[in-house]
Amino acid sequence: QQKVQQSPESLTVSEGAMASLNCTFSDGTSDNFRWYRQHSGKGLEMLVSIFSDGEKEEGRFTAHLNRASLHVSLHIREPQPSDSAVYLCARGRLSGSFNKLTFGAGTRLAVCP
Amino acid sequence: DPKIIQKPKYLVAVTGSEKILICEQYLGHNAMYWYRQSAKKPLEFMFSYSYQKLMDNQTASSRFQPQSSKKNHLDLQITALKPDDSATYFCASSQDWDSYSDYTFGSGTRLLVI
Repeated sequence: QQKVQQSPESLTVSEGAMASLNCTFSDGTSDNFRWYRQHSGKGLEMLVSIFSDGEKEEGRFTAHLNRASLHVSLHIREPQPSDSAVYLCARGRLSGSFNKLTFGAGTRLAVCP
Repeated sequence: DPKIIQKPKYLVAVTGSEKILICEQYLGHNAMYWYRQSAKKPLEFMFSYSYQKLMDNQTASSRFQPQSSKKNHLDLQITALKPDDSATYFCASSQDWDSYSDYTFGSGTRLLVI
């Protein structure tokens, strides 16, 4: 089974300091990768989706993908307390031509004022 | 206004009973999905539908049956409920079924089986 591993399990940063989250995968030659955020008791909010190696920025959120090292990361610039949430990495794979996501277990981010 | 409506938001059920989780999307999307998030596992794919047709099923148990009466509806019937079925069930949709199109998730139905 194709797995998605996230690290760290939890992360605490100070308001304004860069937050970096990591995600590794077993293989992903034809996959895309997405980062979601989930506030406690809420649904999932998509932050950024990336397919090509390199960097993609969406506001304060930047994803970096390196397929050779099987790694995708999320960097949050100037995090605020309202960014405290669980961040989920997901791989989108065409399985039988269907758009199916495999999620990691998440990183719980706490941003302290 | 929410684009994907899931009802109810919270549900408590007795072991052995049957419940139906409701999902409607108003995005004009052609594909709909169910995912489950339990305390001990990552969010996991259950079913995908396109134009009311089941396209992929990753749920081992036949106690879980998706039902689609309209293109923008995908309900989930769960029979013979067990405490292990306790989880948050998320409905989602995407524009296409054959691409990397982005998902929109509902806010979930939190099910507790006692």
